[in-house]
Amino acid sequence: DQQVKQNSPSLSVQEGRISILNCDYTNSMFDYFLWYKKYPAEGPTFLISISSIKDKNEDGRFTVFLNKSAKHLSLHIVPSQPGDSAVYFCAASVHTDKLIFGTGTRLQVFP
Amino acid sequence: DVKVTQSSRYLVKRTGEKVFLECVQDMDHENMFWYRQDPGLGLRLIYFSYDVKMKEKGDIPEGYSVSREKKERFSLILESASTNQTSMYLCATQLPSKRAEQFFGPGTRLTVL
Repeated sequence: DQQVKQNSPSLSVQEGRISILNCDYTNSMFDYFLWYKKYPAEGPTFLISISSIKDKNEDGRFTVFLNKSAKHLSLHIVPSQPGDSAVYFCAASVHTDKLIFGTGTRLQVFP
Repeated sequence: DVKVTQSSRYLVKRTGEKVFLECVQDMDHENMFWYRQDPGLGLRLIYFSYDVKMKEKGDIPEGYSVSREKKERFSLILESASTNQTSMYLCATQLPSKRAEQFFGPGTRLTVL
């Protein structure tokens, strides 16, 4: 049973435009959410996080939005750059250090 | 900077072999994790450890065991490798705070023939 789902396996966006990556979850007990970025042949790297007491967190070009009623999380990248091309994983936790990861979305940013 | 290293980037083994995957970190983090990454399945937790000699099962521990004799080193053991264990294996470390991010190693691509 996949508690964290990323329903779009891939996304293609033109450089300079907005990239929106989506994540849905089923467990209403999740209280902390993270996004990781993964390049080929490298381990995932932490990008941005949000606590369930907030609905938005921003860090430079990256903004994460949380809609608890819809159990939906999204990552916005504005403006998108070719270096943003990677696989993005959302992850969630319930009061613990254990993370539950989604299946990933491959983002391609083209010139 | 946290540095997490994994013993091999690529490994090819035969069915039935015993396989050791090593992970070493230099930041004195208490928590260490082993995941496998498969297409369409994301990252799935195999085992984790909160301290030396402590281990807990993750979501898919079958066919695996772990060892943590020293704080900086966390080993994943495949007692008898099978073809369905062909995967990318990722090690991660974390400070023991429920809000702390996890730091990942570069991964080991294991192929079992």
